[in-house]
Amino acid sequence: AQTVTQSQPEMSVQEAETVTLSCTYDTSENNYYLFWYKQPPSRQMILVIRQEAYKQQNATENRFSVNFQKAAKSFSLKISDSQLGDTAMYFCAFMKPLTQGGSEKLVFGKGTKLTVNP
Amino acid sequence: DAGVTQSPTHLIKTRGQQVTLRCSPKSGHDTVSWYQQALGQGPQFIFQYYEEEERQRGNFPDRFSGHQFPNYSSELNVNALLLGDSALYLCASSFAHYGYTFGSGTRLTVV
Repeated sequence: AQTVTQSQPEMSVQEAETVTLSCTYDTSENNYYLFWYKQPPSRQMILVIRQEAYKQQNATENRFSVNFQKAAKSFSLKISDSQLGDTAMYFCAFMKPLTQGGSEKLVFGKGTKLTVNP
Repeated sequence: DAGVTQSPTHLIKTRGQQVTLRCSPKSGHDTVSWYQQALGQGPQFIFQYYEEEERQRGNFPDRFSGHQFPNYSSELNVNALLLGDSALYLCASSFAHYGYTFGSGTRLTVV
């Protein structure tokens, strides 16, 4: 079974600075998807960024980028120019798609609480 | 374009009772998944519905059951509620593997 580990329960960063959240996972699969989700106090999980394991290029979405190291099974999230609205819980998640014999269920880590300070 | 809608937003039930939670998926999505998120934890997969059938189930007892209707909306039923069932229940819809859209959840408190 796949597992996802987020080793930083809490982190804080000053507004406009850069912060990196860590995530490692354990799987014997070769093709899969990795996600970072943001959960603000409103409780809704919001997709931040998505990475396909077969792609070597790291995904980027505006101020958010990932460092995907497939051999090391590491998937960190970098937030540049942090904003107060980035304050939230951040969850790393793994999924094996149907096309690869999976179920498309998301396996989540325990999350990292990020606080952006003014 | 409405996203995923869940009802009710909050619910208080007594131990031993039964509860039904409802979810309307995002327009165009045909797959609905349910997750349980205990306080301070990541969401745990309960089950997934596609074409009105349960396609995959997580490690949850049979007290947890569900249904998907022809319009793709879904219900989660929990029987014989335990104190440990208190959690945020999240519904997520998807189409293929392009990523899930989540609702804001139902906060269930069992007393």
